[in-house]
Amino acid sequence: GAGVSQSPSNKVTEKGKDVELRCDPISGHTALYWYRQSLGQGLEFLIYFQGNSAPDKSGLPSDRFSAERTGGSVSTLTIQRTQQEDSAVYLCASSRRGQSNEQFFGPGTRLTVL
Amino acid sequence: DAKTTQPPSMDCAEGRAANLPCNHSTISGNEYVYWYRQIHSQGPQYIIHGLKNNETNEMASLIITEDRKSSTLILPHATLRDTAVYYCIVRVGSSASKIIFGSGTRLSIRP
Repeated sequence: GAGVSQSPSNKVTEKGKDVELRCDPISGHTALYWYRQSLGQGLEFLIYFQGNSAPDKSGLPSDRFSAERTGGSVSTLTIQRTQQEDSAVYLCASSRRGQSNEQFFGPGTRLTVL
Repeated sequence: DAKTTQPPSMDCAEGRAANLPCNHSTISGNEYVYWYRQIHSQGPQYIIHGLKNNETNEMASLIITEDRKSSTLILPHATLRDTAVYYCIVRVGSSASKIIFGSGTRLSIRP
């Protein structure tokens, strides 16, 4: 079946502009996660959504970052007034409620802020 | 989530078994051991997980010590395509939760 998809695959923007990154999770997966990975760095948790519960926003680095999940499916990560340090690969993952809870990752969006 | 400790890098000859160790001495009774890997320029990929019993699937085997303070991921016949960063993660498995990734082990497979 189809995996997690993300768009765009690459995004180049100028400092100060807003960007929106999209994630389409696997159908039927109730949990959706956002992570980012800066060049040469490890994976950093940002936010996750589980069903109708309030999202866990504990990893968002600043109030310029926000995310929505509409209809329990598609999610959009928005970065306002982008800074050069926001340059990274943004990864989305989804998981199905169950004992194993393994997360399936998308290919990521590479964001470059000039 | 419990902290894990892994060697920063390892190498293995192609066709041989790759054994990747992980220490998780502060693991709690309800926490599982998960392994993911990340091949260059791709998103992380789930490999295997376990609670206390040894586990095997088509990708790998997971050996967990009796006291659960350490584990070993075994790739039985390593190929060049297994070159990746391998992450050992300990987390509660019964509900959705974020993954806290450490720095992992960079595994290089020699031809």
